[in-house]
Amino acid sequence: ETGVTQSPTHLIKTRGQQVTLRCSSQSGHNTVSWYQQALGQGPQFIFQYYREEENGRGNFPPRFSGLQFPNYSSELNVNALELDDSALYLCASSFPKLGTGVGTEAFFGQGTRLTVV
Amino acid sequence: RKEVEQDPGPFNVPEGATVAFNCTYSNSASQSFFWYRQDCRKEPKLLMSVYSSGNEDGRFTAQLNRASQYISLLIRDSKLSDSATYLCVVPDRGSTLGRLYFGRGTQLTVWP
Repeated sequence: ETGVTQSPTHLIKTRGQQVTLRCSSQSGHNTVSWYQQALGQGPQFIFQYYREEENGRGNFPPRFSGLQFPNYSSELNVNALELDDSALYLCASSFPKLGTGVGTEAFFGQGTRLTVV
Repeated sequence: RKEVEQDPGPFNVPEGATVAFNCTYSNSASQSFFWYRQDCRKEPKLLMSVYSSGNEDGRFTAQLNRASQYISLLIRDSKLSDSATYLCVVPDRGSTLGRLYFGRGTQLTVWP
């Protein structure tokens, strides 16, 4: 197991509602990234947090927001839910290889499956 | 153009077969690459990292062709347990902190 845990594992929400998803990163990892995976697609980058600050954002609207806490755990908040937000939301933690120019592999939690009805 | 492109398959092969997946990437400056495996309704798990021309781990071989900007994954002597979706992953060259670009995945089914 990766040591990355997410909660809840499943969630059903109504269109227009708000949702908060949570992630605890692997011990020693200070970077958390969130991804959305629609059915039949690869994960799409939402945003990333490094030492409690947002560091990079994908092509997602502002109603997708997040936080990272001093213990490096993180939350993803989605406001005004739409039907298309139904997906598997994945949290990934990593420890960057700064200055090496080498990409860092990420370790994923089991995901939160969100269904918007 | 997408950052990472993969043939989605599906690939259906018998046990013992050799199967290869290809993946192309758009950023010629990328220096490292990953293959992740994802079982149905589960999270992606790191299968292999590729930092130079290639990497081999048992029955799995990953090769990198920088000139053509493609990465391949070869699975020899396929097992039933190899059935999964294989995701080609390229880190964002502009980010050192782990933003990853995923292909849509190639689905493999190994049958008895």
